[in-house]
Amino acid sequence: KNQVEQSPQSLIILEGKNCTLQCNYTVSPFSNLRWYKQDTGRGPVSLTIMTFSENTKSNGRYTATLDADTKQSSLHITASQLSDSASYICVVLFSGGYNKLIFGAGTRLAVHP
Amino acid sequence: GAVVSQHPSWVICKSGTSVKIECRSLDFQATTMFWYRQFPKQSLMLMATSNEGSKATYEQGVEKDKFLINHASLTLSTLTVTSAHPEDSSFYICSARPNVDRGPANTGELFFGEGSRLTVL
Repeated sequence: KNQVEQSPQSLIILEGKNCTLQCNYTVSPFSNLRWYKQDTGRGPVSLTIMTFSENTKSNGRYTATLDADTKQSSLHITASQLSDSASYICVVLFSGGYNKLIFGAGTRLAVHP
Repeated sequence: GAVVSQHPSWVICKSGTSVKIECRSLDFQATTMFWYRQFPKQSLMLMATSNEGSKATYEQGVEKDKFLINHASLTLSTLTVTSAHPEDSSFYICSARPNVDRGPANTGELFFGEGSRLTVL
């Protein structure tokens, strides 16, 4: 069954600290893996998109990694800011015959001063 | 970056009435748009794929007669919640896939609207 699981479900960190969010997936075959940031009551915004051949991609203080062999991805946030408080959603594009995005449940991050 | 606009951003209606939500791609054309609903503290659930000029494709368990989708142009898709009931209260989000890939080649980058919060009394 094609699934995307994220951990932790929620996380609280202090401003300025780093954190890493995890995404494990069983989607196969897949074309790419995306990380989105969703502020409360807003639509998701793309952070990174990685194809299966890419291992890492950065977007400012956000760095995503991908290990297609172990089917794991991580999103590392450096020097967190209060504005990083949001849900972070891992999404995998299933490409077996038809394209379909498989969404993870997200990690809710709260950055406290 | 590419912009997808949703309207209204929030709406309150009485039970039994119908509500229409618009999704517009402001600076690109999109043959394909998607509609999702999201309950509190949960991730997005795909409801249907909207295709310009043809019928929408609904996910299993989504009533097509309840959630009417019309994709009349390459920049506009609408979702109409018919005979709304309190259990239809949710956050509805659309996304659009540009006909010309704006991101890395062949990744099918999607751009999401800001969402529409529906409350049915």
